[in-house]
Amino acid sequence: DGGITQSPKYLFRKEGQNVTLSCEQNLNHDAMYWYRQDPGQGLRLIYYSQIVNDFQKGDIAEGYSVSREKKESFPLTVTSAQKNPTAFYLCASSDRGLEPLHFGNGTRLTVT
Amino acid sequence: SQKIEQNSEALNIQEGKTATLTCNYTNYSPAYLQWYRQDPGRGPVFLLLIRENEKEKRKERLKVTFDTTLKQSLFHITASQPADSATYLCALPYTGGFKTIFGAGTRLFVKA
Repeated sequence: DGGITQSPKYLFRKEGQNVTLSCEQNLNHDAMYWYRQDPGQGLRLIYYSQIVNDFQKGDIAEGYSVSREKKESFPLTVTSAQKNPTAFYLCASSDRGLEPLHFGNGTRLTVT
Repeated sequence: SQKIEQNSEALNIQEGKTATLTCNYTNYSPAYLQWYRQDPGRGPVFLLLIRENEKEKRKERLKVTFDTTLKQSLFHITASQPADSATYLCALPYTGGFKTIFGAGTRLFVKA
């Protein structure tokens, strides 16, 4: 079945460590996105990529980095510069940009 | 700036009744609006998209309206079931952008 796979589902890190969240899609979608979800808040866009080897900052990119070396993969690195990294991270993809988003089932990151 | 508002209070209804959720937006005129369903610990799932020239759209027990004058969308679930219990998110495209903005969602509880 086609879809988006995020791994791991739960991730625990110590403060000061960088951590990379995986996102893989087999939908052959050009566009991929990373959102962050905190309780009581809407999804906030971290980074997005319209095509391979290109990506743009979203609304809350500080403290995060991404790469898009392959069409099917869009990993997100949460760096030690991110002030409040504990959150639920969602990866999504879409065909032709503004079409409905397909989401993975998220990675819950806890930093202590 | 563009803003989406959804009722932050949970909606509790009895099985068989119609649930109505509201999405209000400000400061722009989107070409379309989307509704997603999100279960706890999972990624959102796309339900319906309604375009600005459509007043109403239906899919099985779901109905969405889009009033561009009031800047409001209503999402109805008729003959609600306990399995409809979830958080429902409203989403809009950013003006001129390749991105989607989400509301915080409304939690729906359907009691048997």
